[in-house]
Parts: sequence; C-alpha cells; structure tokens
Amino acid sequence: GAVVSQHPSWVICKSGTSVKIECRSLDFQATTMFWYRQFPKQSLMLMATSNEGSKATYEQGVEKDKFLINHASLTLSTLTVTSAHPEDSSFYICSARDGGAQETQYFGPGTRLLVL
Amino acid sequence: LAKTTQPISMDSYEGQEVNITCSHNNIATNDYITWYQQFPSQGPRFIIQGYKTKVTNEVASLFIPADRKSSTLSLPRVSLSDTAVYYCLVGDSSASKIIFGSGTRLSIRP
Repeated sequence: GAVVSQHPSWVICKSGTSVKIECRSLDFQATTMFWYRQFPKQSLMLMATSNEGSKATYEQGVEKDKFLINHASLTLSTLTVTSAHPEDSSFYICSARDGGAQETQYFGPGTRLLVL
Repeated sequence: LAKTTQPISMDSYEGQEVNITCSHNNIATNDYITWYQQFPSQGPRFIIQGYKTKVTNEVASLFIPADRKSSTLSLPRVSLSDTAVYYCLVGDSSASKIIFGSGTRLSIRP
C-alpha cells in the first residue's frame, strides 16, 4: 500500500517555541493531505485539510494562526505549531489521499508533541 | 458525511473469529466503506475497503448487505497482536474529509 511518513516522530519543546512537523507521501502524489490530533483514549479529530497550492481549510475551533499549514508540493505538507503551550501536547497524525478511484486515505505514523 | 456507529469495545480469545459490525444508515450511493486499525501511538493502518457484497484480502473480510446500511469486518483466527482500535468510515471520492467515530476497542486474550 501507499506509504506516508512523518518527521519527527516525537518532539519535546519549551512553552512559547514553535514546532514544525513534516508529512510526506513517499510513493504517490497527494493533492490533498489532512492533519489530525489525537488525545489519549480518544478518537482522531480532524484539524484541517491541506490542499497543494492553496490555503488550508480549518475545522471549526482550530486556530489557523496557531496551526500553520503549508502544502508546498504534491508530496509534502507541513504543520507548524506556533507559540506552543502545554495544552498543545498531543499526538499529531497526517494522512494523504492517493487520488485513485476510491481515493483511499493513508496515514502517517504520527508525531508525539510534548510541550513543557 | 454518513455517521457511523460501532460497539465501543469487544473482547475475544486467540484463535477465534471476530466480527465487528458498523451501522451507517445514511450511507450515500457513492460512498465506500473503509476500515482502519490503530495501535497505541501509531497512525491508523488501512485494513480493507468495499462498496457492496463481500471483499476479502490477506488480513480480513468485509461483508456488506444489499442495503449497505451496515457492514461487518471479519478477522479470522485473531491473535494477541490484533488487540487494537478499529474504525469504520464511509465516504466517497469527492468527500473533502473523513470524520472518525469512536471506533471499537478490541481486546484479545490468551
């Protein structure tokens, strides 16, 4: 199946700093990528839809100025958590749609963010 | 987007067949049904996808009745490593996003 990677796999940062997470589709081109956040024992919550070459679409309640998304190419989307605070600590997961007839979504391995 | 309903949790034993049913009463004509598996601290992994009747691959089978208002994921001869959360999702190729439900937490015991 299609492979999606994320980097870094985990990051620890001080409160007030910014953190960038990369999401790459390794063997297919993805015009659309998605960013999710998952808290312990909960389901995935969609944060935003990232479209190549255009602005991301954010879900209600997600601050676009705090969670900056850039989809610079058909294989790369980045999520930057700006001025991170402890409440931003979470598991961030990206996914990419393969563009086939069924447009299956494939997920990255996730990035664990801990803000101290 | 069709809303899905799954059991919150299920328990079974090694070597058994496990069937997880998902209800999606408002499924649209163009919607596909997709199941994902998620282990702790990992991203969801694609298991199987189908539109109608039966689909089988090397890890699971997916049964979809004629009215498509439900689907059943069947895991043959489960092992301890099948302990995970299983998500059922529906959507079509034009869907701009996938919304996750609560999933089913499957626990396999020796």
